[in-house]
Amino acid sequence: GAVVSQHPSRVICKSGTSVKIECRSLDFQATTMFWYRQFPKKSLMLMATSNEGSKATYEQGVEKDKFLINHASLTLSTLTVTSAHPEDSSFYICSARVIQSTGEAFFGQGTRLTVV
Amino acid sequence: GQQLNQSPQSMFIQEGEDVSMNCTSSSIFNTWLWYKQDPGEGPVLLIALYKAGELTSNGRLTAQFGITRKDSFLNISASIPSDVGIYFCAGQLGTGGFKTIFGAGTRLFVKA
Repeated sequence: GAVVSQHPSRVICKSGTSVKIECRSLDFQATTMFWYRQFPKKSLMLMATSNEGSKATYEQGVEKDKFLINHASLTLSTLTVTSAHPEDSSFYICSARVIQSTGEAFFGQGTRLTVV
Repeated sequence: GQQLNQSPQSMFIQEGEDVSMNCTSSSIFNTWLWYKQDPGEGPVLLIALYKAGELTSNGRLTAQFGITRKDSFLNISASIPSDVGIYFCAGQLGTGGFKTIFGAGTRLFVKA
């Protein structure tokens, strides 16, 4: 399958700081990338759909000013958690859809964010 | 919004046993996907189903896309210890950039 690389895999930051997470499609181009949040022993909750060259579409209840998404190229989307609080601590996962595919999306390894 | 009901929540089985899990929804999906997630990792795609009624195998895994397009099941035959993990079903819409909705997951435990 296609490879999606997410970086960093783990990050610890202080409250009030911002953290950027990168999601890269390594061997394919992705017009659409998705950002998920996963709480322990829970399912993946879609946060937003990131489209290359346009604004991201956020799911209901997700603060767009809190979770900034930029999809500047066909291989890179970034999620920035701004003014992080301890309750933002979670596992964040991105996925990327292959252009003109039937819809299969491949996931990155995830980023464990801990805000102290 | 769309929701997927995945069952069972967890399963404890003996090595060599067959396993079955399923997902249902009140919504129609264009695609059903089954993923496996190991602790601390992102989900890995196991099987993708694109047509109603489609039955697809991947090694010891078999999955079917329900005729009504509102359900799907995944079977694992002759389970082995490395099958341990969380299995998620996911339904994908054909619009909205192929937004994917995930079930709650089935946590599988295999005893050697």
